[in-house]
Amino acid sequence: AQSVTQLGSHVSVSEGALVLLRCNYSSSVPPYLFWYVQYPNQGLQLLLKYTSAATLVKGINGFEAEFKKSETSFHLTKPSAHMSDAAEYFCAVSDLAGNQFYFGTGTSLTVIP
Amino acid sequence: KAGVTQTPRYLIKTRGQQVTLSCSPISGHRSVSWYQQTPGQGLQFLFEYFSETQRNKGNFPGRFSGRQFSNSRSEMNVSTLELGDSALYLCASSLVGLAGAALGEQYFGPGTRLTVT
Repeated sequence: AQSVTQLGSHVSVSEGALVLLRCNYSSSVPPYLFWYVQYPNQGLQLLLKYTSAATLVKGINGFEAEFKKSETSFHLTKPSAHMSDAAEYFCAVSDLAGNQFYFGTGTSLTVIP
Repeated sequence: KAGVTQTPRYLIKTRGQQVTLSCSPISGHRSVSWYQQTPGQGLQFLFEYFSETQRNKGNFPGRFSGRQFSNSRSEMNVSTLELGDSALYLCASSLVGLAGAALGEQYFGPGTRLTVT
């Protein structure tokens, strides 16, 4: 089975600073990779996805992620944090059939004014 | 296009009772997955349904069950509720191709917040 590891359950950044949320996956075959965001009392919303096209993926709200096969990583970044970015972020991987998704334990992002 | 809807949004039950949660996927989405989300545990996969058949199942006891109807709507049932079942239950749907493989990401509903007292 595949697995996803998100390093850092809590990350704090100052408003305007770089956001870096880490995600590593375990898979012998490049899978499909996703980042989701969850705001309080809401479901998960897709930020971006990697499906074996360009390794640098741009998503909504200024986020992007880079797929690095050699490092089995898919870290999420944003150049300048905004207060509205405060939320829970989940990295996920799906199998090649795309029928089962595996989620990391999430990273709670706090943005300090 | 309407998103994934889940009913009810909030539910309070007593230990030992049973509960049924409902999920209506996005129109045209035939795969429905259920997750349990608790603080510290993240999202735990419960099961996935496609074409009224359970294709994948997570590591949960038999008290957790589900089904899917011909219109792709899905329900999950938890019997003999325990305090530890208190959680946010999320439903997600995805588009699938003719062979049954998902064609992209999962779309999530807002969840049902279950509290067991």
